[in-house]
Amino acid sequence: KNQVEQSPQSLIILEGKNCTLQCNYTVSPFSNLRWYKQDTGRGPVSLTIMTFSENTKSNGRYTATLDADTKQSSLHITASQLSDSASYICVVTPADRGSTLGRLYFGRGTQLTVWP
Amino acid sequence: EAGVAQSPRYKIIEKRQSVAFWCNPISGHATLYWYQQILGQGPKLLIQFQNNGVVDDSQLPKDRFSAERLKGVDSTLKIQPAKLEDSAVYLCASRRSGGASYEQYFGPGTRLTVT
Repeated sequence: KNQVEQSPQSLIILEGKNCTLQCNYTVSPFSNLRWYKQDTGRGPVSLTIMTFSENTKSNGRYTATLDADTKQSSLHITASQLSDSASYICVVTPADRGSTLGRLYFGRGTQLTVWP
Repeated sequence: EAGVAQSPRYKIIEKRQSVAFWCNPISGHATLYWYQQILGQGPKLLIQFQNNGVVDDSQLPKDRFSAERLKGVDSTLKIQPAKLEDSAVYLCASRRSGGASYEQYFGPGTRLTVT
């Protein structure tokens, strides 16, 4: 069964600190993996996308890593800001017929809260 | 380019009432999705359209939910009658047709509360 598991479920950090969110997936075959940020009351917005052959991708203070062998990904946030408070969702696209249709497998998300 | 538009943003109804949500996708995006997102969970796909045809509605509770995408542009999602467990955020997303790397763009969602 294709699944995407994220940890931790929630995380509280102080402003300026770094943090790392984890994603394990069993989706196979695998096409790409995205990390989305979802602010409260808004739809998810893509932060990074990595294909099977990529093992790291950065977007400003966000750095995603991917280990396709162990089927694990992480999202590292550097020097956190109050605006980073949001839910971070790991999303995997399968490499089958579903991929061209845009079918996605979503994790439950990690709720990050940054305190001043 | 304009994003995915949804309305209303919030809706409160009593159980057994009916409700409809509207979505206007990004211009030129042939694929449109409706998701249900319950608090603390990731989005769950309800229905996927390719132009005005249904591609996947396997997780749509068809006894109470219906959706249409007339003319392959705007779409409406209806719940009739609503149940308490339908309280959730309903997200609409759109995407260009083709490769797996094409991104889904999400609207702001409609937060439904059923009392």
